[in-house]
Amino acid sequence: GENVEQHPSTLSVQEGDSAVIKCTYSDSASNYFPWYKQELGKGPQLIIDIRSNVGEKKDQRIAVTLNKTAKHFSLHITETQPEDSAVYFCAASSGGGADGLTFGKGTHLIIQP
Amino acid sequence: DTEVTQTPKHLVMGMTNKKSLKCEQHMGHRAMYWYKQKAKKPPELMFVYSYEKLSINESVPSRFSPECPNSSLLNLHLHALQPEDSALYLCASSHPNRNEQFFGPGTRLTVL
Repeated sequence: GENVEQHPSTLSVQEGDSAVIKCTYSDSASNYFPWYKQELGKGPQLIIDIRSNVGEKKDQRIAVTLNKTAKHFSLHITETQPEDSAVYFCAASSGGGADGLTFGKGTHLIIQP
Repeated sequence: DTEVTQTPKHLVMGMTNKKSLKCEQHMGHRAMYWYKQKAKKPPELMFVYSYEKLSINESVPSRFSPECPNSSLLNLHLHALQPEDSALYLCASSHPNRNEQFFGPGTRLTVL
């Protein structure tokens, strides 16, 4: 089955700086890679995703890059703000839909004021 | 309506009790999921329903029994649970031909 590795487990950055979280996956059949933000006491919130036919996707301060050859993808957050503090999970899945997600172990992002 | 709702928010039960968790969505999604999340861990897939039929069971013990009575509702029936089953139970839904999964807030389950 799929295995997703995520690093770092904790990331502390100054407000206004950029944050980068990296993930690798093992199954070459995986073709969908979402990122979720989970705040304390809440369910995961989908913040951005990328499919295997795309190398990069951006949405305002958030961007995701995918390197299919190396089987890794990254989340980039620019101009970080206190409300960005949360746990971020990367995930991977294969198939066209109705397929479970395999999650990385999560990154606790701390934005220092 | 663009959200997944789950009830109850919190549940405490004994090992001999029978209880049910409920999940509801009105986005027209025809795929629904149950995940289990232990503290400081990622969500782990338990079950997938596609068009009201169970399509994936990740070798979950029979003390967890899912049910999808219609396209908007998903239940998880609990019986004879163990203390190690204490966790946050998350429901998600998606269009069956699209990958984006939207999660509910979860039910925090404590088994005494």
